[in-house]
Amino acid sequence: ETGVTQTPRHLVMGMTNKKSLKCEQHLGHNAMYWYKQSAKKPLELMFVYNFKEQTENNSVPSRFSPECPNSSHLFLHLHTLQPEDSALYLCASSQTSGTFYEQYFGPGTRLTVT
Amino acid sequence: GQNIDQPTEMTATEGAIVQINCTYQTSGFNGLFWYQQHAGEAPTFLSYNVLDGLEEKGRFSSFLSRSKGYSYLLLKELQMKDSASYLCASLDSNYQLIWGAGTKLIIKP
Repeated sequence: ETGVTQTPRHLVMGMTNKKSLKCEQHLGHNAMYWYKQSAKKPLELMFVYNFKEQTENNSVPSRFSPECPNSSHLFLHLHTLQPEDSALYLCASSQTSGTFYEQYFGPGTRLTVT
Repeated sequence: GQNIDQPTEMTATEGAIVQINCTYQTSGFNGLFWYQQHAGEAPTFLSYNVLDGLEEKGRFSSFLSRSKGYSYLLLKELQMKDSASYLCASLDSNYQLIWGAGTKLIIKP
């Protein structure tokens, strides 16, 4: 257990569905991240929130919509996804002050778009 | 551009030593991370180097050469449980991690 939880662990959805991924961190960190991990590709940073404010949006399609109500919770709202969006979605958290920026990851949500 | 290169796959024998190399080119540099990721699980932190040299932590060691844009992860006394992907990541000038695609390490008895 890394102190970062994600639900659900597995999700199958049709292209017209709307669903949400949830992430919660119990580490007192101020930054939270959404990553997409596809087979044999580097981790793709999607969104970064620092003290609840979005500081990074790496040209992510609008069918992915993040929400960060507080420093401990992060959501990723999904709608009208495409089959190529099937991947492992990882949430991470870290401190962004001091000299150490280790990111702690949740177990991920395995998303399949049919 | 920003780029992290590491081998796609390596094979080693139980009890042996393996070195996984990583070269990086990023906009600024604030350190180099290594993570381990078992199949179907989250990446977990292994090491962080920001100064040149070797950092040893049990069976695992990590080396950094900033002038060469090069790092390696050294795993000694390999165990079957070390079969995993090893991810190299550089912390850039914006303190964002730039990730390599990972090296899948296969340990054979």
